[in-house]
Amino acid sequence: NAGVMQNPRHLVRRRGQEARLRCSPMKGHSHVYWYRQLPEEGLKFMVYLQKENIIDESGMPKERFSAEFPKEGPSILRIQQVVRGDSAAYFCASSPPTGENTDTQYFGPGTRLTVL
Amino acid sequence: QKEVEQDPGPLSVPEGAIVSLNCTYSNSAFQYFMWYRQYSRKGPELLMYTYSSGNKEDGRFTAQVDKSSKYISLFIRDSQPSDSATYLCAMRKSQGGSEKLVFGKGTKLTVNP
Repeated sequence: NAGVMQNPRHLVRRRGQEARLRCSPMKGHSHVYWYRQLPEEGLKFMVYLQKENIIDESGMPKERFSAEFPKEGPSILRIQQVVRGDSAAYFCASSPPTGENTDTQYFGPGTRLTVL
Repeated sequence: QKEVEQDPGPLSVPEGAIVSLNCTYSNSAFQYFMWYRQYSRKGPELLMYTYSSGNKEDGRFTAQVDKSSKYISLFIRDSQPSDSATYLCAMRKSQGGSEKLVFGKGTKLTVNP
């Protein structure tokens, strides 16, 4: 499967715990985006990363949320001290390097986070 | 005013019907337009991508963009039960350095056999 991979698919955390969501982009893609989908809501942009760089984090809450995309390994979205309002589906998308049709983003299956 | 407005439906049609899904937007900076299909508890799947006003056809799907009216549409011909899903419109501004997509809320479509 050469698509965008996300794991875990389902994650249950108690309030105050940390959640780590992982995303492996499609082969050859170097741009990664994270979106959050709340119940009955559309997808909301959170952060856009390239390898080792955060390009745009304008959609990311200032507190408790962080993201990285290291030189090696998957992109990580980290949520510290989770609260019930963090319960949502988190989707990762990837697109090719600049100059190779970056207009389209391909989405992974999502991680569904439930905070008890 | 939200940047992208999309009627959430739900929309229910009989098999074989022509379906029309629409979005309006307020910011003329949007230049690239997409339609995604999302099955229940799955990730969005890219259906159509356009960047100019006019029509683009792919099989049973036609995407239409009217930049002067800030209005985009997706038409599905000969709809099938397998088309039952939520359809999300998305758009992007042509700004350097930021590739984020802005989505509508999605329209839930059910095609009844």
